[in-house]
Amino acid sequence: AQSVAQPEDQVNVAEGNPLTVKCTYSVSGNPYLFWYVQYPNRGLQFLLKYITGDNLVKGSYGFEAEFNKSQTSFHLKKPSALVSDSALYFCAVATYKYIFGTGTRLKVLA
Amino acid sequence: IAGITQAPTSQILAAGRRMTLRCTQDMRHNAMYWYRQDLGLGLRLIHYSNTAGTTGKGEVPDGYSVSRANTDDFPLTLASAVPSQTSVYFCASSDSVNEQFFGPGTRLTVL
Repeated sequence: AQSVAQPEDQVNVAEGNPLTVKCTYSVSGNPYLFWYVQYPNRGLQFLLKYITGDNLVKGSYGFEAEFNKSQTSFHLKKPSALVSDSALYFCAVATYKYIFGTGTRLKVLA
Repeated sequence: IAGITQAPTSQILAAGRRMTLRCTQDMRHNAMYWYRQDLGLGLRLIHYSNTAGTTGKGEVPDGYSVSRANTDDFPLTLASAVPSQTSVYFCASSDSVNEQFFGPGTRLTVL
């Protein structure tokens, strides 16, 4: 069965420090992988995607994600966190259908 | 219109009443989706449509129906609302299996 997991409900990081939000997946075949961000009282916004090619994908607002096929992971990263990055982050995987993770709340502390 | 819109923004509804949530996109995307978002459960797919004239059931379709008469509109109907349908509802669209574009959401409370 196709699934995606975000093992951390919340991640806290100090402003200026690097951040990582974890995502692992289980699919058959080659997946499309996505990250979305949700700010309070808003819909989800697309951040970045991996379809094929370079394992390191760069996206909006300085975020990047690394596709690791052997570990079936697609962790979201940013070298230097900002307080304004505080939000809810969703990983998603798509083959013949789309599945979202349960979300990770990122809190960047000033 | 730019992107995807939803109406109403919020609604309080008595149990047993019928309600239609509206969704319109102007991006000419083939695929459209309805999700509900509940605390701790993430996003759950209610219904989807891969193209105008076709619809399919998602993870939690019971109590909901949809139609897709044209490319732009994808209304979600609750025939007889129940309190467990209290949630935030998001409509989304995409061009095939690609990134989805989300509306601003409808906050629905069923009393």
